[in-house]
Formats: sequence, C-alpha cells, structure tokens
Amino acid sequence: NAGVTQTPKFQVLKTGQSMTLQCAQDMNHNSMYWYRQDPGMGLRLIYYSASEGTTDKGEVPNGYNVSRLNKREFSLRLESAAPSQTSVYFCASEREGHRYTGELFFGEGSRLTVL
Amino acid sequence: AQSVAQPEDQVNVAEGNPLTVKCTYSVSGNPYLFWYVQYPNRGLQFLLKYITGDNLVKGSYGFEAEFNKSQTSFHLKKPSALVSDSALYFCAVRDENTNAGKSTFGDGTTLTVKP
Repeated sequence: NAGVTQTPKFQVLKTGQSMTLQCAQDMNHNSMYWYRQDPGMGLRLIYYSASEGTTDKGEVPNGYNVSRLNKREFSLRLESAAPSQTSVYFCASEREGHRYTGELFFGEGSRLTVL
Repeated sequence: AQSVAQPEDQVNVAEGNPLTVKCTYSVSGNPYLFWYVQYPNRGLQFLLKYITGDNLVKGSYGFEAEFNKSQTSFHLKKPSALVSDSALYFCAVRDENTNAGKSTFGDGTTLTVKP
C-alpha cells in the first residue's frame, strides 16, 4: 500500500521555466491538498480539491495551477517559476469517515529549487 | 480566523526523561486539534487529535496530549523520551466547520532527545 506518492522528489529549475508536480493516492480518498513548507513557516495551503472535478484556492495560490485528473491524481503546475517558489511541496489526502475526521496522509515531498 | 502558536523552536531532553512540546491555539468555534511528526526528508505523519470527549488524548508511539480549553492549549507529552523521538513536530488547528486540509499549522518544534 503506497499511500500518497509524489514525483519528482527533487527538481532544479531556471526562472521562467514551467513544470508539473504529480501526486497520486491509492486510498480512495475524495479530498486532496497541496502545501508548501518553508523554514520556520509551517505548512501553507496552496490549493485543494474536495472531490474529483473540483478545485479551490488555499492561502497562497498565486503562481500555481492545479488539476484533479481523476480521484487518484492531483497535480500542481508552476507556469513560470520564480525564485520565491523555491520550497518543499507536499501533497496530502484526507482520510474518510467521521471517526477519522481531520487525519491527513502526506507524501514524502518534492524539493524544488528555482535559480 | 484561526491560528496556532508553538512557542519553542527547539526542545532538548535526555533519553528517559519526560517531554513536553507546547501548542496554543485560537479559533472562533469549537477546536479540532492535531499533532503531526516529520522525520528528516519525509512527509508529515499523523500522531493524535482532539475532536471531543476526554481532554487527555492518546496517540501513536506512546505520545499523548492534553486539551485545556481555558488555557487554549494542546501540549504534546510523553512520559519517557526515546532518541528515536527526535523529529520536527507540528501542531494544527481548525474549527469544526472547516475541512481538514484547511487546518492552520504551527511553525514546528524540533525535538532532540540525547542519549
């Protein structure tokens, strides 16, 4: 059982380049999320998807787009990367059911450097 | 609005001693509170949560947390620390009407347990 899988694990981009971070979960969860983690700033929500076909902005959506391709996959795209987007990106999905409410499963992260 | 504070960037304890990692919160409604742990180069892992009921919540790896409504705190505790407990710990909060992925995370506390 792989849980939440993110690719790539590491990426170096030049300013202005584009790329897509991929995320897939095999737990049949409806809700999925993208966060960025910066030193001393905790996790900040970029975008989320409550179900297949829906997406909504989080706290820091500027410079990003997302696609909920199907129930399993939720991708994050940087159209024109900027140095300020250097960060560690985490994808997460939410466990279903009232008993498990609030429990998030995280991928191992994608470390992005923009030069 | 919701917020969470982890007042200590770093906590150091000796193996075998009790440990406490502090968290205080602010929400407009009833709080849902969570602790996550992050080991180096890994994603966050769910430890425990308070939704309702007993103020003392028990979670994974022998950790527990005490919900104190009057002090708006949710401190993480363990009676006897292990070197393997060394990691980054995050407290998170949301009110009962917000979905899990829109929780607000603290900035994290690095726990170091020395042999």
